[in-house]
Amino acid sequence: AQSVTQLDSQVPVFEEAPVELRCNYSSSVSVYLFWYVQYPNQGLQLLLKYLSGSTLVKGINGFEAEFNKSQTSFHLRKPTVHISDTAEYFCAVSDLYGANNLFFGTGTRLTVIP
Amino acid sequence: GAVVSQHPSRVICKSGTSVKIECRSLDFQATTMFWYRQFPKQSLMLMATSNEGSKATYEQGVEKDKFLINHASLTLSTLTVTSAHPEDSSFYICSVTSGRATEQFFGPGTRLTVL
Repeated sequence: AQSVTQLDSQVPVFEEAPVELRCNYSSSVSVYLFWYVQYPNQGLQLLLKYLSGSTLVKGINGFEAEFNKSQTSFHLRKPTVHISDTAEYFCAVSDLYGANNLFFGTGTRLTVIP
Repeated sequence: GAVVSQHPSRVICKSGTSVKIECRSLDFQATTMFWYRQFPKQSLMLMATSNEGSKATYEQGVEKDKFLINHASLTLSTLTVTSAHPEDSSFYICSVTSGRATEQFFGPGTRLTVL
């Protein structure tokens, strides 16, 4: 089975500063990796995903993430954050046999300070 | 990706009553649907997985007689919380996928408050 660790439960950052949200995973098989964003009282929106190919993945809203197999990490980054980026961010992992087994991290609350 | 809707978005009910939540896949043939619950400031916890036309598979610790799941078609799944109690108050989120998909597509969630 897979598992996901999000090391930071809360990340405060000033507006227009860069941010990195950390995600590490554990798995005995190859995986797909995802980052989702959740705004208050809403469902999950996919930011980006890594399936194969280039280890640097670009997503929506200016976010990107880099898959590092040796470090089993998939950290999310944005060079310049905005107030509207304040939300909960979830890292998730699944095996390669479709999307039936999706394991979520505990989430990171990103708060952008004006 | 798929567009998934949930109805209602919010519901308040009295203790002891039953509540039905619908999850619809608007443009996607969802062979598999999932139901999650999320407590405040916590991650999503998978409750059950349902395949179209089959009985749902419940995660350990989830009472199948309390949380009734029906997945009668490729576009609709329902979750009925029977004899709801205040501890059932939570945010319920559904998601859909199919055999060839590499991701799940999530609905907007339903906020259930049991008084």
